[in-house]
Amino acid sequence: DTGVSQNPRHKITKRGQNVTFRCDPISEHNRLYWYRQTLGQGPEFLTYFQNEAQLEKSRLLSDRFSAERPKGSFSTLEIQRTEQGDSAMYLCASSPSSGQGTYEQYFGPGTRLTVT
Amino acid sequence: AQTVTQSQPEMSVQEAETVTLSCTYDTSENNYYLFWYKQPPSRQMILVIRQEAYKQQNATENRFSVNFQKAAKSFSLKISDSQLGDTAMYFCAFTDYYNQGGKLIFGQGTELSVKP
Repeated sequence: DTGVSQNPRHKITKRGQNVTFRCDPISEHNRLYWYRQTLGQGPEFLTYFQNEAQLEKSRLLSDRFSAERPKGSFSTLEIQRTEQGDSAMYLCASSPSSGQGTYEQYFGPGTRLTVT
Repeated sequence: AQTVTQSQPEMSVQEAETVTLSCTYDTSENNYYLFWYKQPPSRQMILVIRQEAYKQQNATENRFSVNFQKAAKSFSLKISDSQLGDTAMYFCAFTDYYNQGGKLIFGQGTELSVKP
């Protein structure tokens, strides 16, 4: 298995534009998590899915943010009408929900968003 | 609310020596998991070690070991025989898996520099 992948790795956009990020988890993992990390800080939880169901959203996830995992495999995170405060690294992680490694999350390389 | 605190923003150690990174957390739960993650300059988060709260024995993984003090809510990471490749940000993380679906709460991180 090649691990968790995220695309694009870098995104530069102008304020007000919409952006979409993609995460491909480890294939047998049915839990998928999104986090946001700003420079010099630890990651902050945004939302998570079990299979295709979105089970929790953080209050950090404003109405401009939406996440989907339509077939329980890859996930997308969309930010509408981007603001400069959205500039951050967006991290995706996956884990199994049973069996070995249930409580361990494996992270992707992240998508760095810069809003100008 | 559950919180994780890392009070050492930066640390340095000479190659081959031992260093200890501190972490404290706050929770009213009895069953939870604690982790140390490493984030090298390339920024992909890597799991270093995990500890189940119900286990009294401290976890070890090769040169990495923890000192888990449940009553004191303390979870420190000891790195023995430090290597240049250990240079990274280290994050302590907590999850109340049973109640919160496995989402991770991270500390602010400790930037470790291993000097030759």
